[in-house]
Amino acid sequence: ETGVTQTPRHLVMGMTNKKSLKCEQHLGHNAMYWYKQSAKKPLELMFVYSLEERVENNSVPSRFSPECPNSSHLFLHLHTLQPEDSALYLCASSQGSGSSYNEQFFGPGTRLTVL
Amino acid sequence: KNQVEQSPQSLIILEGKNCTLQCNYTVSPFSNLRWYKQDTGRGPVSLTIMTFSENTKSNGRYTATLDADTKQSSLHITASQLSDSASYICVVSAAPSGTYKYIFGTGTRLKVLA
Repeated sequence: ETGVTQTPRHLVMGMTNKKSLKCEQHLGHNAMYWYKQSAKKPLELMFVYSLEERVENNSVPSRFSPECPNSSHLFLHLHTLQPEDSALYLCASSQGSGSSYNEQFFGPGTRLTVL
Repeated sequence: KNQVEQSPQSLIILEGKNCTLQCNYTVSPFSNLRWYKQDTGRGPVSLTIMTFSENTKSNGRYTATLDADTKQSSLHITASQLSDSASYICVVSAAPSGTYKYIFGTGTRLKVLA
């Protein structure tokens, strides 16, 4: 295991539902990330939270809302999603985000299906 | 435009055989290149990382090479095992560090058969 846990591992929701994805890291890192992984597409960075920066990818729709209450926990709140939002959502953490040399440790992901 | 292209998209080999995966990038200015292994149902795990001055890095049966002049990298797997079946993702980082510093390839899906 990488020290990054995600729950739930699988989620099926309707377009009118509200749900949240949870990520927790046990590595003492101070940067956390949300990625979207769709079939045959590169990983897409959605959000970054760290002491150095808080970044939102402007192409991410507002129906995705991140929350980072502390350096160990990260949430992704979902509401009124579309079928094209179905994907694997990966959480990652690293020791700081200021250097791209710092390795990102990924969780197992949440497989999301929107009906 | 910063881009990372990987080939082949998928590959099937017999157990015990060697294989080489390719990664071409157009990221500039270049900082480092990392290879990840992603097992089915799991997140990516780092195999190797190389900076501009490094042209080869090994991790057990995995050997990565980097040619910064031609902007190409390869991942060579020796004496493949069934557990090597996974997706292999090439990630290039741009310098200086910025918001979207990680540029991911789409990966090569490797299947090792007994």
